[in-house]
Amino acid sequence: GAVVSQHPSRVICKSGTSVKIECRSLDFQATTMFWYRQFPKQSLMLMATSNEGSKATYEQGVEKDKFLINHASLTLSTLTVTSAHPEDSSFYICSASPPSGGTYDRNEQFFGPGTRLTVL
Amino acid sequence: KNQVEQSPQSLIILEGKNCTLQCNYTVSPFSNLRWYKQDTGRGPVSLTIMTFSENTKSNGRYTATLDADTKQSSLHITASQLSDSASYICVVSARASKIIFGSGTRLSIRP
Repeated sequence: GAVVSQHPSRVICKSGTSVKIECRSLDFQATTMFWYRQFPKQSLMLMATSNEGSKATYEQGVEKDKFLINHASLTLSTLTVTSAHPEDSSFYICSASPPSGGTYDRNEQFFGPGTRLTVL
Repeated sequence: KNQVEQSPQSLIILEGKNCTLQCNYTVSPFSNLRWYKQDTGRGPVSLTIMTFSENTKSNGRYTATLDADTKQSSLHITASQLSDSASYICVVSARASKIIFGSGTRLSIRP
């Protein structure tokens, strides 16, 4: 199956700093990438959908100025948490979808291993 | 409203026993249904994917069923192992790329 990586796997930062998380599709080109947040014992919550070369689409309630998403290439999307605060501490997971019409199933999503963010 | 509901919320069973997790959905128009396994602190990993015409699909000790008429799916785990302890998430895709996640079932296998 396709592989999606995330970096870093965990990060601890001070309140007020910005943190960048990278999501890479290693063996396929991802026209669409998704960013999720997951709080303890809860399911994944979609934050935004990122399309290569265009602005991300944010879900209701997600501040686009706080969570900056850049999908600069077909294999890389980044999420920057700006001016992070303790309430932003969470598990951030990205997923990537290959283009339709290829060898993968329609709407197939491959998930990264996640990034644990702790804001002190 | 498109929804995916899973039950039970959590489950504890002894190693070697079987168990069945449930997923009910109201997603329309239906495209496919996936079961994912998510280990603690890791991203979800796909177990099975089923389309409208498929009733059952197996992946090792995991067997998923789908009843498109009643809009129900189940994931059966046979001869559970300690490594099966994880959250199991049911994800339903609607056409036009809408994807809806269930809240998951937390499964704990005890020795």
